[in-house]
Amino acid sequence: DVKVTQSSRYLVKRTGEKVFLECVQDMDHENMFWYRQDPGLGLRLIYFSYDVKMKEKGDIPEGYSVSREKKERFSLILESASTNQTSMYLCASKDSFNSPLHFGNGTRLTVT
Amino acid sequence: AQSVTQLDSQVPVFEEAPVELRCNYSSSVSVYLFWYVQYPNQGLQLLLKYLSGSTLVKGINGFEAEFNKSQTSFHLRKPSVHISDTAEYFCAVSDSSGYSTLTFGKGTMLLVSP
Repeated sequence: DVKVTQSSRYLVKRTGEKVFLECVQDMDHENMFWYRQDPGLGLRLIYFSYDVKMKEKGDIPEGYSVSREKKERFSLILESASTNQTSMYLCASKDSFNSPLHFGNGTRLTVT
Repeated sequence: AQSVTQLDSQVPVFEEAPVELRCNYSSSVSVYLFWYVQYPNQGLQLLLKYLSGSTLVKGINGFEAEFNKSQTSFHLRKPSVHISDTAEYFCAVSDSSGYSTLTFGKGTMLLVSP
């Protein structure tokens, strides 16, 4: 089974802090994704990556950046956290373009 | 670009009753369709997918969905639900023309009571 591991289950950060959310997958998938999930809004794509050192903006990239230095690891960075970035963040990976996504258990980030 | 509409934000149902969760999509090209389930405090897991072929797709845990191209729908059904089916269900679509990201609906919370 594919395993997607998000390093933190819960995080509490202060406004203005730089925040790193880490995600690692163990199945050599080329494609990795970061979503945020908010009640009533479903999942919205922040950034994705089709290969190492490659990144593409999703639907809501403002205030975020990403890093993919190794194939198995995809990091989401909040350069200066704000309260409107309080959310559940979900990482996912997949193999080929018509494969299903495999999700991590999520990181619930609270910015105070 | 694609979009997904899940018509019900919440569906309450009694145990052993049948249920249908509705999903409509919009796309100008051929699509792939997915249903995911999210149990409390967990990530999403795949229930079933439609890529091509038979329009009736069977998934895990007794769920099935039917792709209706003329109605642009992909409704999820189960003939008899259990308490353990209480979860949030997400419909998702991607285009089938090449590399495409997945667009999710806003989710439907299925609440099964005894």
